[in-house]
Amino acid sequence: TQLLEQSPQFLSIQEGENLTVYCNSSSVFSSLQWYRQEPGEGPVLLVTVVTGGEVKKLKRLTFQFGDARKDSSLHITAAQPGDTGLYLCAGAGGYQKVTFGIGTKLQVIP
Amino acid sequence: EAQVTQNPRYLITVTGKKLTVTCSQNMNHEYMSWYRQDPGLGLRQIYYSMNVEVTDKGDVPEGYKVSRKEKRNFPLILESPSPNQTSLYFCASSPYAPNEQFFGPGTRLTVL
Repeated sequence: TQLLEQSPQFLSIQEGENLTVYCNSSSVFSSLQWYRQEPGEGPVLLVTVVTGGEVKKLKRLTFQFGDARKDSSLHITAAQPGDTGLYLCAGAGGYQKVTFGIGTKLQVIP
Repeated sequence: EAQVTQNPRYLITVTGKKLTVTCSQNMNHEYMSWYRQDPGLGLRQIYYSMNVEVTDKGDVPEGYKVSRKEKRNFPLILESPSPNQTSLYFCASSPYAPNEQFFGPGTRLTVL
């Protein structure tokens, strides 16, 4: 079983601050996705990274895939209350099996 | 509208009473998958399917069955539900590989 360690699990910050969420594994993934989930709803895809070293930007969110394709990070610049939610990383491994991180619950205080 | 639908959305049942949770997608996706989400454990993959008539076990397949007779449907079957299967269940689909999964709204199951 592949494991994906996500940290921190909880994050409470003030509006305007920056933050970074990490996902780490000892396994290599063919791709890694980041999702955001609101209470009572299914996760919604934010981005997929496929190539080692890849960096993708989505407005104030920056996603990076590690060179060895074992880890990824999500950086949010100038967080806003609308960024509040549960952020999940997920890795696609051998035989297209998917492993999720435990999630980071982010609260941005106005 | 492109979507993944699940039914029922909420279900309370008793131990041992067989049940089926349906999942359907209208995007012609090859890949479909079932997950359960539990506090402190996150989302865990139960079963997945790369194509019609092809299914594979995820990390927590015990106590569950699936079938993929048509591309659009991927039902989850609990032959003899037990209380430890009380959870929030999500179905998801993706075009080919699980790179862009679209999730259903979830089914909250309680087994008494």
